Amino acid sequence: DIQMTQSPSSLSASVGDRVTITCRASQSITNSLNWYQQKPGKAPKVLIYAASNLQSGVPSRFSGSGSGTDFTLTISSLQPEDFATYYCQQSYSTPATFGQGTKVEIK
Amino acid sequence: EVHLLESGGGLVQPGGSLRLSCAASGFTFSTYDMSWVRQAPGKGLEWVSAIGGSGGRNTYHADSVKGRFTISRDNSRNTLYLQMNSLRADDTAVYYCAKDRGSGWYNFDHWGQGTLVTVSS
Repeated sequence: DIQMTQSPSSLSASVGDRVTITCRASQSITNSLNWYQQKPGKAPKVLIYAASNLQSGVPSRFSGSGSGTDFTLTISSLQPEDFATYYCQQSYSTPATFGQGTKVEIK
Repeated sequence: EVHLLESGGGLVQPGGSLRLSCAASGFTFSTYDMSWVRQAPGKGLEWVSAIGGSGGRNTYHADSVKGRFTISRDNSRNTLYLQMNSLRADDTAVYYCAKDRGSGWYNFDHWGQGTLVTVSS
């Protein structure tokens, strides 16, 4: 199975901050990487697919980059509604696997 | 608008069975691969099972549920199912159904609201 490792596991940031979350795969997954946002008690919501494609309706302050084994999710200017947990997920092979999550909290 | 509505969760004793359903609307259900993903209380996301679109001939299961869970679909009813047998305490989780976007497996673009399964005596 492909292991997905996110860092950091949690972070504290202020509104307006630039936030970067990284995700590393245990082997190359080309660009088969999705990013999801999850708020407490809610289902995950896709933000980025195929490593760098912004899902329709998602604000442009979210962006994704990377290929192979190393990927990044960037929030250019953190907004109050962005405080949530973020997950990366590889779709390269079965089983699909998720990172452990990064919780973004208010500083 | 795509809508996925899970049902069938509840409290079940260890060793028991449960069948989850996911009613889909707002898209051509038979065209898309579908998955179940679960989340144990306070934990991360874990993919459980997947099934191909038309015919549902292709099915896949995580090792943790292989031989105990079976995914299926009824395209005439626009409904996805997960039959769960020999349930264990570590199967306790919110179970989400998720729709693939149509560009290969496991690219989830819509999720249901989830249904809670609790395995406890």
